[in-house]
Formats: sequence, C-alpha cells, structure tokens
Amino acid sequence: DIQMTQSPSTLSASVGDRVTITCRASQSISSWLAWYQQKPGKAPKLLIYKASSLESGVPSRFSGSGSGTEFTLTISSLQPDDFATYYCQQYNSYPAITFGQGTRLEIK
Amino acid sequence: EVQLVESGGGLVQPGGSLRLSCSASGFTFSSYAMHWVRQAPGKGLEYVSAISSNGGSTYYADSVKGRFTISRDNSKNTLYLQMSSLRAEDTAVYYCVKDHDSGASTGVFDYWGQGTLVTVSS
Repeated sequence: DIQMTQSPSTLSASVGDRVTITCRASQSISSWLAWYQQKPGKAPKLLIYKASSLESGVPSRFSGSGSGTEFTLTISSLQPDDFATYYCQQYNSYPAITFGQGTRLEIK
Repeated sequence: EVQLVESGGGLVQPGGSLRLSCSASGFTFSSYAMHWVRQAPGKGLEYVSAISSNGGSTYYADSVKGRFTISRDNSKNTLYLQMSSLRAEDTAVYYCVKDHDSGASTGVFDYWGQGTLVTVSS
C-alpha cells in the first residue's frame, strides 16, 4: 500500500495567517491526490482533487499544489471557520485508497 | 440536494453481525460508484469498501476482506454494508460516500453521509 505522511500533525496559527500543510507519498502518485477538511463531529468535506483542482463551492483561499510524491495544501488567509483537521488522500492506486494521518489546525 | 443517510449502527458483541444501510437522494444513484469509509474514535480515516455503479465490481480493504460485503439496490437508491465476525477494532463511525464522477469511479469523494456509529464490545 502507498503510505501518506502529513506534516505537521498539529499546526497553531492565527486568523489571517497563511498556512501550508504538506503531504508526502511513499511512491509517486502523479497528481492523484485529494484534500479534505473535517470538523469535530462532522463528516469530511472535499476541498481539492487532482492535487490542485478546487472543488465547486470551496473558497479560493484554499489551494493545492504538487505532483509525484510531495504535495501541499495552502490556506492563503486563515478564517475562523478554517480551524479543523485536514486529510490528504491518494487515489493513484484506486481502489487501494489511503489517507494521511491528518493535520489538526488550531487557533494560536 | 445530495443527501446520504446512514442507518443500522449500534452496539454489537464481538463475533456478531450488523447491516448498515445508506439511503441516497438528490442524484442519479445508479450512475455513481459508492464507498464506505470508517473512522475509529479519535482516529483518522480508513477506506473500507467500494462498489461500482451497477454493482458488478466490489473492493474490500484487507482489514475487512472476507467479513464485510458491500451491495446496492439501484431500484431503492440504497447502499448496504453487511458486517460479520465483528471485532473490537471494527468500532468506528461508518460513512457512506459518493464518488465524484459518474460512470467509472475516480476514488474522489464529494459527498459524505453523517455517519453511523458501530460499537463492538461485550
């Protein structure tokens, strides 16, 4: 299975900050990567797919980049609603899909 | 509006069985692959199973292979997960998930249900 490793595991930031979360794959996954946001007690929400394609309805402050084995999710200016846990997911080896362990974004 | 509503979760003893259902609405159910993803309490996401749009192809994670069976009834817009020989490590919230694209599955999940909690304990 392809292993996905996110860093950091926890990130403290303030409203208005620019933040970046990194996801690394254990082997090349081309651009077959998605990002999800999950708030406590809620289901995950799709933000980005194919590494950099913004899902419909997702604010443009979210962006994704990368290919191969290294990917980033960037939030250009943190809003109060953005404090949540973020997961990357590879689907290059579909159906053997794997998720990263998650990055918790908390208020500084 | 797309809606996915899971049901059937609950407390079950180790070795027991449970069937989860997911009622879908707001989209052409028969055109989309569907999936189950689970999340143990306080843990990350784990992909469990997939079924093609016509039900002809299925996939299971190694952790549930031989114990879980995914199925669908396109006439009822309903997805199922039959779980047997349940173990404590199967305790999780189980999410019903819709694939992003119609036809062949992409493995991108654009709509999730609210989840149903399965607790395996004596």
